[in-house]
Amino acid sequence: RKEVEQDPGPFNVPEGATVAFNCTYSNSASQSFFWYRQDCRKEPKLLMSVYSSGNEDGRFTAQLNRASQYISLLIRDSKLSDSATYLCAVNSNTGNQFYFGTGTSLTVIP
Amino acid sequence: GAVVSQHPSWVICKSGTSVKIECRSLDFQATTMFWYRQFPKQSLMLMATSNEGSKATYEQGVEKDKFLINHASLTLSTLTVTSAHPEDSSFYICSAARWNTIYFGEGSWLTVV
Repeated sequence: RKEVEQDPGPFNVPEGATVAFNCTYSNSASQSFFWYRQDCRKEPKLLMSVYSSGNEDGRFTAQLNRASQYISLLIRDSKLSDSATYLCAVNSNTGNQFYFGTGTSLTVIP
Repeated sequence: GAVVSQHPSWVICKSGTSVKIECRSLDFQATTMFWYRQFPKQSLMLMATSNEGSKATYEQGVEKDKFLINHASLTLSTLTVTSAHPEDSSFYICSAARWNTIYFGEGSWLTVV
């Protein structure tokens, strides 16, 4: 079983829509969780960390569900500039290993 | 500003030659760095974990004699693609952890002709 599972999409949504991505992880002892954004032909960049209490940054909300072992990313009022691939990442309980999902492709359509 | 720097950004080499890519942590020490490869429209694939002062740990299916990793200092890891072939053409990215968060280098586009 993979450490991190993520729906690759693609998700094609109209401008202004709300879209959510989920990512499941297998190790219940995982400590830290993150969402990254990767634009075409660029490196991934940290979008936000995911805290147990949830984390909101403008139109973006990240949540952690430890009981069901998944993290989510919600994007409200989608903009054209949100088009990218979104990767989730999980840090192992030992702290030395990070596992990435395969990425979910999002295209926001005018 | 950048936390991890990678060089070169673009490289074209002839088949059979070797190419070295550098990954530097800026303003912090990284005992562990990670090397990934990403083919177009595919996901990141972890190649190896680079450990300062010791041998790298390679993922299954990655040839350690072909992809040489050296982590001689706390701020520098290098990946050398030896005897490169066109199928090695890809986007190579390094990363390092700072304060329990992964930061990526800018990536290096390798084209083998």
